Amino acid sequence: DAGVIQSPRHEVTEMGQEVTLRCKPISGHDYLFWYRQTMMRGLELLIYFNNNVPIDDSGMPEDRFSAKMPNASFSTLKIQPSEPRDSAVYFCASSPPGQNYGYTFGSGTRLTVV
Amino acid sequence: GEDVEQSLFLSVREGDSSVINCTYTDSSSTYLYWYKQEPGAGLQLLTYIFSNMDMKQDQRLTVLLNKKDKHLSLRIADTQTGDSAIYFCAESTGSQGNLIFGKGTKLSVKP
Repeated sequence: DAGVIQSPRHEVTEMGQEVTLRCKPISGHDYLFWYRQTMMRGLELLIYFNNNVPIDDSGMPEDRFSAKMPNASFSTLKIQPSEPRDSAVYFCASSPPGQNYGYTFGSGTRLTVV
Repeated sequence: GEDVEQSLFLSVREGDSSVINCTYTDSSSTYLYWYKQEPGAGLQLLTYIFSNMDMKQDQRLTVLLNKKDKHLSLRIADTQTGDSAIYFCAESTGSQGNLIFGKGTKLSVKP
C-alpha cells in the first residue's frame, strides 16, 4: 500500500495565480480530509468528504478555496486567486469507517505564494 | 467549544523518559490519539486509547488517560535522538468527521 499520495510536494506560485493540489487516498478508505498547517494556527481542518460527498466545509477560509472529489481515488483542493497568506503546508488524510483507526496522512504539499 | 491544549516544547537527554501532556475539553471524547510528525513529513499515528481505558502500553510508549481531569499523557521510555519530532494529541468525539488536534509539542532529544 503506497499510502496517501499528494502532489506536488512543493509549489511556488505568484500571487493571483490558480493553484491545484492533488490527493489520492488509500484504496478502501471512504473518508478524505484536507488540512492546512501553519506555525501560527497549527492544523486546521478545511473540508472532509465521505463517499466522495463533501460533509463539512466550514473550515474553508473563503470563496477562493474549493475542493472536489470526483471519484473514490482522487481529490483536488484549488485556490483561485492565491494570496501570500495562503502559504502553508496542506495535508490530505484518509480514513476507513470506524474511529479507532485514526487518519493516515499524506506527506503534504508545501505551498509558497510570493 | 472543543479544544486540545499541549505545551509547545520539551527537551530531554538521550536515554531519559519523555512525558508529553495534553488536556482536552470535550468530556464526550471517545478516542484519543497521539500522532508524530517528523520534519518535512505528514503526521503518523503512533497510538490511540479508547475513553474507557486508563492506560495503554506499546513497547516504549505508555499512554495514560485521566478522564476526570481530561488529561492525556504520552510517555516515551529510553528516548532516542530518532524520537525528536513534533507530537500531536487529538480527540475524537463520536463523529467520524473531525479529529480535534492540539498545536503539537516539539520534542528535542539531546545526545
